[in-house]
Amino acid sequence: KNEVEQSPQNLTAQEGEFITINCSYSVGISALHWLQQHPGGGIVSLFMLSSGKKKHGRLIATINIQEKHSSLHITASHPRDSAVYICVLGGGADGLTFGKGTHLIIQP
Amino acid sequence: EAGVVQSPRYKIIEKKQPVAFWCNPISGHNTLYWYRQNLGQGPELLIRYENEEAVDDSQLPKDRFSAERLKGVDSTLKIQPAELGDSAVYLCASRPHGGTGELFFGEGSRLTVL
Repeated sequence: KNEVEQSPQNLTAQEGEFITINCSYSVGISALHWLQQHPGGGIVSLFMLSSGKKKHGRLIATINIQEKHSSLHITASHPRDSAVYICVLGGGADGLTFGKGTHLIIQP
Repeated sequence: EAGVVQSPRYKIIEKKQPVAFWCNPISGHNTLYWYRQNLGQGPELLIRYENEEAVDDSQLPKDRFSAERLKGVDSTLKIQPAELGDSAVYLCASRPHGGTGELFFGEGSRLTVL
């Protein structure tokens, strides 16, 4: 079974700061997803990665297949970025493996 | 294009009552998941479908939970009878096929059992 670790578990930062959330896993995967969940809200898929880097607005996601590591970056963070960010591994016959999530709070 | 649609968004019932949740995945998506999410925790898989076939229902409490996806499109998750511990958000997600491709979640159905 693939083990996934996210760090940090909790992060509080000031508006405008550059945010990095990390995800490490133990077994090679075909794809990795980053999800965002606001309090009381549904889950939004931010990125699906199989290699390299993707960018969407102020969000950047990278993955290093050899090192089994992915990062989610938020530039010029804003209070509306406050949410839980979840790393999810895999798919296919093995299904999905969810990380425990990173609780991010951006203070004005 | 509509995303994954779930209903109802909220449901409050008394224990021992039945409840059903409905999910309509993105058009053309063969893979459908039902997850349960307790407050402050990550989603836990209940069942995964490939078309109309349940390919992973090992975590579904079959004594009270049932699910169906008769035509391989929309799906229903039922609890009968509901217990206090079933209070949670029930999430539906879909992907194109074979458990691959971009993952899309519905807004979830929040169940409160009194």
